[in-house]
Amino acid sequence: GDSVTQMEGPVTLSEEAFLTINCTYTATGYPSLFWYVQYPGEGLQLLLKATKADDKGSNKGFEATYRKETTSFHLEKGSVQVSDSAVYFCALRGNNQGGKLIFGQGTELSVKP
Amino acid sequence: GAGVSQSPSNKVTEKGKDVELRCDPISGHTALYWYRQSLGQGLEFLIYFQGNSAPDKSGLPSDRFSAERTGGSVSTLTIQRTQQEDSAVYLCASSLVQDRVQPQHFGDGTRLSIL
Repeated sequence: GDSVTQMEGPVTLSEEAFLTINCTYTATGYPSLFWYVQYPGEGLQLLLKATKADDKGSNKGFEATYRKETTSFHLEKGSVQVSDSAVYFCALRGNNQGGKLIFGQGTELSVKP
Repeated sequence: GAGVSQSPSNKVTEKGKDVELRCDPISGHTALYWYRQSLGQGLEFLIYFQGNSAPDKSGLPSDRFSAERTGGSVSTLTIQRTQQEDSAVYLCASSLVQDRVQPQHFGDGTRLSIL
């Protein structure tokens, strides 16, 4: 079945460092891909999405490009802030499973001043 | 309201008791999903509703778990005879329709603790 694999955390960075969180997927058909973020004590928020190959999703300085040839959707940010400290989840959504989200295991990011 | 609303936000109960968790989706959203977030299992799908029907219940872990949705709006997840392994955060999400393009919007969850 469909699955998502993320790099394991926790990831600890200094403020203004470059961030990459790797995400790869296995899916039949052509899923949409999402990054969700969960700040401490809060629910899941949609960060960005891409619905077809070569689409780039972006929001709040974060970017991810849907790469069908490598089945990847890596999350990047050029300069992280302390306020970016959170857990990040990569997810896919296909048409043939009622549209349920399949999540990766989450990657905890901690940004130090 | 503007977002997905879940209640209660926290629930502590004794093993063996029944619990009901409520989800009020974004107005107009026809698709509604329940997920469970626990330390050992990550985020797991439980059940999905399209309108008042539940075409996919494959994620419900046992027959102690059930859910319903009425009026194409509010949904209730019921856990009977709770066990300690049911302790988790239960998340509800809704989307405009159930196709792959639409994002799902999540509530803040209900943190369930079984003593």
